[in-house]
Amino acid sequence: EPEVTQTPSHQVTQMGQEVILRCVPISNHLYFYWYRQILGQKVEFLVSFYNNEISEKSEIFDDQFSVERPDGSNFTLKIRSTKLEDSAMYFCASSGWLAGGQGFNEQFFGPGTRLTVL
Amino acid sequence: DQQVKQNSPSLSVQEGRISILNCDYTNSMFDYFLWYKKYPAEGPTFLISISSIKDKNEDGRFTVFLNKSAKHLSLHIVPSQPGDSAVYFCAAIDNTGNQFYFGTGTSLTVIP
Repeated sequence: EPEVTQTPSHQVTQMGQEVILRCVPISNHLYFYWYRQILGQKVEFLVSFYNNEISEKSEIFDDQFSVERPDGSNFTLKIRSTKLEDSAMYFCASSGWLAGGQGFNEQFFGPGTRLTVL
Repeated sequence: DQQVKQNSPSLSVQEGRISILNCDYTNSMFDYFLWYKKYPAEGPTFLISISSIKDKNEDGRFTVFLNKSAKHLSLHIVPSQPGDSAVYFCAAIDNTGNQFYFGTGTSLTVIP
């Protein structure tokens, strides 16, 4: 069964350093997402990506964050200068087509990358 | 602001009994509602969904009920099994389809 994969499973970094979290979505999916979950809190939407551009982003997704699909398989989240409060579990997700009026297909989530900022 | 709320952080149920997980929302423009199940150290897994034009959707042991006037949905699991023990997230999609809004989750423990 196809699945979303994420690497690394755990990333430890010093405050102020750049990190890149990597995701390989399901191969025929067109929509890609990043979420984060701070320990003990809700899953928060960060950004959605379609057709090589950001479709939607939340208030959390400020100038320190960027996403890229550098090739046909990877989808990355970059945090330019990490802060202590960026420590969280980061989930990548992908889906097959747009929800709403065009029909619905659920998002498939990866196992997450735990980011620890020291 | 929290557009999707799960007010019960945890729930314990005896095996074989019904589990009822509740979720409230504030945005009347949500088009679809979903339930995800999450085990420790794994990403959320889609469980069941319901369109805003329906009031019930059933899939095996899982049934989701939607009460639009009350802006409330619930997930019923009957009968509950120990393997159902996990964190359950309610989520909603707005009419742009681009953003999912998640609740804070309810940790379900099914006691053998």
